[in-house]
Amino acid sequence: NAGVTQTPKFQVLKTGQSMTLQCAQDMNHNSMYWYRQDPGMGLRLIYYSASEGTTDKGEVPNGYNVSRLNKREFSLRLESAAPSQTSVYFCASGRGGARETQYFGPGTRLLVL
Amino acid sequence: AQSVTQLGSHVSVSEGALVLLRCNYSSSVPPYLFWYVQYPNQGLQLLLKYTTGATLVKGINGFEAEFKKSETSFHLTKPSAHMSDAAEYFCAVSSNDYKLSFGAGTTVTVRA
Repeated sequence: NAGVTQTPKFQVLKTGQSMTLQCAQDMNHNSMYWYRQDPGMGLRLIYYSASEGTTDKGEVPNGYNVSRLNKREFSLRLESAAPSQTSVYFCASGRGGARETQYFGPGTRLLVL
Repeated sequence: AQSVTQLGSHVSVSEGALVLLRCNYSSSVPPYLFWYVQYPNQGLQLLLKYTTGATLVKGINGFEAEFKKSETSFHLTKPSAHMSDAAEYFCAVSSNDYKLSFGAGTTVTVRA
């Protein structure tokens, strides 16, 4: 099992460019999540998908959109990148529910110039 | 609403010494509590979690944590630090929805 995979590993964008971060899981999990990690701030939830066909905003959704393509895949799109979106992005998946463990991908480092 | 406070952004310990990482939470309902570890340039992985039952929870790599409701705390300990414990540690809380709230993290360095 690969677990949670993310592409790309690293990306440099110019302000205003768009890009999509891809995430896939092979654990048959119902729920998937996108977080961003910034120094001194821990991880903050951007969007999540409790089950296939549903998506909801997290703590910091502005400037992002998501698509739950199927049960395995959950993508994060930046339509017009800004320097404030320079961060490390993590995708996670889990069986769903407050007590369940979330399993994290290796992350995507994004630099917006 | 729920939140997590981790006391100390950096902790330095000698190899073989006690590791103690402090976590306090606030939650309007009974919480579920987690400790995750992040090794350099990797994603997070679960160390341990408290859901219900025994308040002393044992995790991987010799770590344990105790849920103290009266103190709203979930401190992480390991009796004897190893060089491989150098990492960043995150405390997190969830309540009655799908959302995890993370603390800011504590970076542990281990001195030989």
